[in-house]
Amino acid sequence: DTEVTQTPKHLVMGMTNKKSLKCEQHMGHRAMYWYKQKAKKPPELMFVYSYEKLSINESVPSRFSPECPNSSLLNLHLHALQPEDSALYLCASSQVAPTHQPQHFGDGTRLSIL
Amino acid sequence: DQQVKQNSPSLSVQEGRISILNCDYTNSMFDYFLWYKKYPAEGPTFLISISSIKDKNEDGRFTVFLNKSAKHLSLHIVPSQPGDSAVYFCAASGVYNQGGKLIFGQGTELSVKP
Repeated sequence: DTEVTQTPKHLVMGMTNKKSLKCEQHMGHRAMYWYKQKAKKPPELMFVYSYEKLSINESVPSRFSPECPNSSLLNLHLHALQPEDSALYLCASSQVAPTHQPQHFGDGTRLSIL
Repeated sequence: DQQVKQNSPSLSVQEGRISILNCDYTNSMFDYFLWYKKYPAEGPTFLISISSIKDKNEDGRFTVFLNKSAKHLSLHIVPSQPGDSAVYFCAASGVYNQGGKLIFGQGTELSVKP
């Protein structure tokens, strides 16, 4: 059982739609992450939130808009996506440094753009 | 520029034998290394990690070895079980690497045959 819950599990949307991906964790972690994973490829970091503040944006296009409303929730708002954005979107959480802590992943949302 | 490399895309092992998965890295600033297991339709599951101040870490059937001079780490699974069949990713992070950002290798698909 994963302790990071992502909804929905699957999402199909058109290029003009607006949708949101949701992620929730109750492990008391104060760092949360969004990753994108294409088939047969490793996960690639998109955003990092630390203490509910955006700390890293890996030059992600503005059609992806993250939001961290509180320490347990992380959203990814989607608008005007392109077919190449079809992928598995993974959320992860971890304790915050100073010591290294592993990231724990949800099962992801499989997104298909028509 | 691939900073973390898993040169074997696949590995097949007989049940009960040892599985050895390898990973090489190029960035000498990495000081924390992790292994994740991924089943289809699930997110990566954290297995084991090692800090650069150690050369070995053990957890049950899983042992990770780190050779800093060779910039090489390996995951040993003994004994291998059919349920271990999955894709294994190694990942690396550094205290100077932007707030715990993980860099993943390409993955090795392990198949354990009964």
